[in-house]
Amino acid sequence: DQQVKQNSPSLSVQEGRISILNCDYTNSMFDYFLWYKKYPAEGPTFLISISSIKDKNEDGRFTVFLNKSAKHLSLHIVPSQPGDSAVYFCAASETFGNEKLTFGTGTRLTIIP
Amino acid sequence: SAVISQKPSRDICQRGTSLTIQCQVDSQVTMMFWYRQQPGQSLTLIATANQGSEATYESGFVIDKFPISRPNLTFSTLTVSNMSPEDSSIYLCSVEENGRDTQYFGPGTRLTVL
Repeated sequence: DQQVKQNSPSLSVQEGRISILNCDYTNSMFDYFLWYKKYPAEGPTFLISISSIKDKNEDGRFTVFLNKSAKHLSLHIVPSQPGDSAVYFCAASETFGNEKLTFGTGTRLTIIP
Repeated sequence: SAVISQKPSRDICQRGTSLTIQCQVDSQVTMMFWYRQQPGQSLTLIATANQGSEATYESGFVIDKFPISRPNLTFSTLTVSNMSPEDSSIYLCSVEENGRDTQYFGPGTRLTVL
């Protein structure tokens, strides 16, 4: 039972344009959500997070949107840069202290120069 | 954020042997976690390791197969026992820094079992 789903295994975006990565979840108990970026042969790097009391969180070029009624979150990267090419994972937890993270399957983002 | 290192970075092992993976953090942390990422799959939590107590294992993972030690607040080990090719994965440790709500990951250990 995949509680966190990323339905797009890959995405290609032109440099300078907006990248939108999507994530859906089924567990209504999830209340804290995170996005990680992973390069080959490296561990995941934390990007941005959002708690269920918010619907938007911004950090520089990265913005995460949360739609609780639809159980959907998205990560917007604007403008996209070649260094953004990586695999992006969304993750969710049931407690604000996020003791246990449930990860999606990842989306491979390729930025085209 | 904490700086996390893992040893070894990769290994190729024979079926039936065991491998111990080390995770070292540059600061004291209460909670450490061990994850597995099988080829083409997502990250799956194996267990949570708190200093001074037994590790808490997730469904599908047992202590006999994945014994964990947490001797102090900066170090943990995960052993993959009696390995089979199905254990070929990337094994990652992560930490939750005291007072923060986010997990930070080590670089991972890529294990191949022949």
